[in-house]
Amino acid sequence: GAVVSQHPSRVICKSGTSVKIECRSLDFQATTMFWYRQFPKQSLMLMATSNEGSKATYEQGVEKDKFLINHASLTLSTLTVTSAHPEDSSFYICSAPPGSDTQYFGPGTRLTVL
Amino acid sequence: QKEVEQNSGPLSVPEGAIASLNCTYSDRGSQSFFWYRQYSGKSPELIMSIYSNGDKEDGRFTAQLNKASQYVSLLIRDSQPSDSATYLCAVRTSYDKVIFGPGTSLSVIP
Repeated sequence: GAVVSQHPSRVICKSGTSVKIECRSLDFQATTMFWYRQFPKQSLMLMATSNEGSKATYEQGVEKDKFLINHASLTLSTLTVTSAHPEDSSFYICSAPPGSDTQYFGPGTRLTVL
Repeated sequence: QKEVEQNSGPLSVPEGAIASLNCTYSDRGSQSFFWYRQYSGKSPELIMSIYSNGDKEDGRFTAQLNKASQYVSLLIRDSQPSDSATYLCAVRTSYDKVIFGPGTSLSVIP
């Protein structure tokens, strides 16, 4: 099946710093990628839809100035958590549809903000 | 009303038994339905997708869809300890968003 990678897999940072997470589609091009956040023992919550060459679409309640998304190429989307705080600690997962109706998920990034 | 609901867990079944997972959704215009499996600390992996009313079988897994009742289920036959995970139901709604249910934790007891 289609492969989606994420980097880094785990990051620990101090409060107030910014963290960039990369999501790559390895064997297909993706004009659209999705970013999810998952808190412990909760389901995936869609944060935003990343669109290649245009602005991301954010879900209600997600601060676009805090979670910056850039989709600069057909295989790469980045999520930057700016001025991270402990409440931003979560499991961030990206996904991409390889042209079909299904989504393939990246392995996720565990963010811990101290 | 939540958009996608799943039967509350955790669900425990003995090895070799059938595990039944249920999901209901609120958007009657939804057309695509998915079951994902998620192991602790890992990202979800797709098990099955289903688009038409009826059953769809893939190995030990059978997905069932009833659009009139807005109901999707997943049956796991001959359950194995390795099937122990959280199972997420996902629905692509009429406004083209994929919404995930809260998940059902399954434990298969050897």
